[in-house]
Amino acid sequence: EAQVTQNPRYLITVTGKKLTVTCSQNMNHEYMSWYRQDPGLGLRQIYYSMNVEVTDKGDVPEGYKVSRKEKRNFPLILESPSPNQTSLYFCATLGEVGAFFGQGTRLTVV
Amino acid sequence: DQQVKQNSPSLSVQEGRISILNCDYTNSMFDYFLWYKKYPAEGPTFLISISSIKDKNEDGRFTVFLNKSAKHLSLHIVPSQPGDSAVYFCAASAWGSQGNLIFGKGTKLSVKP
Repeated sequence: EAQVTQNPRYLITVTGKKLTVTCSQNMNHEYMSWYRQDPGLGLRQIYYSMNVEVTDKGDVPEGYKVSRKEKRNFPLILESPSPNQTSLYFCATLGEVGAFFGQGTRLTVV
Repeated sequence: DQQVKQNSPSLSVQEGRISILNCDYTNSMFDYFLWYKKYPAEGPTFLISISSIKDKNEDGRFTVFLNKSAKHLSLHIVPSQPGDSAVYFCAASAWGSQGNLIFGKGTKLSVKP
């Protein structure tokens, strides 16, 4: 079964404490992306990766890092989270017909 | 500057009638367009797509129309069902930058029984 798996699903953390949200896919897709969804703003792209070791900034990359050391994994790193990064995050892969999304990670930074 | 615009935040339709969701784009380099459906507490799921070489693509109750000259696309759902109630996102990409999929803000569709 084609899957995009994110962990954790829910996370509450404090300002400044580094965290990583993992994303893994089993479809052997080259393209992977991270999005955040905020009320009234829709889905905004944070970073994307077109292949291993190739990453590019999306629309809202500030405050985030990513890495793509292997094809199946694309972790999102918040080195020093701030309250304005409280959001719902989605990882996605891009196949021939469209993107497959993970279930989402709801992050709250207090 | 928003490259993909969904100007209606919400739409309410009676069951059995047609739902029409609209999307406008500004970037003439976009040549592939997709619609996603999202239920609360779930990730978006792919619904239907269309490439710029076509002006219509149909899949069951869902049809997407593309008007390149107007930079406008629409999703028609006929007949609408209560289970179609969700947020619908329009997205666009240019094949040269396939990883950069740009989404609209979404339209919340409510189908009333």
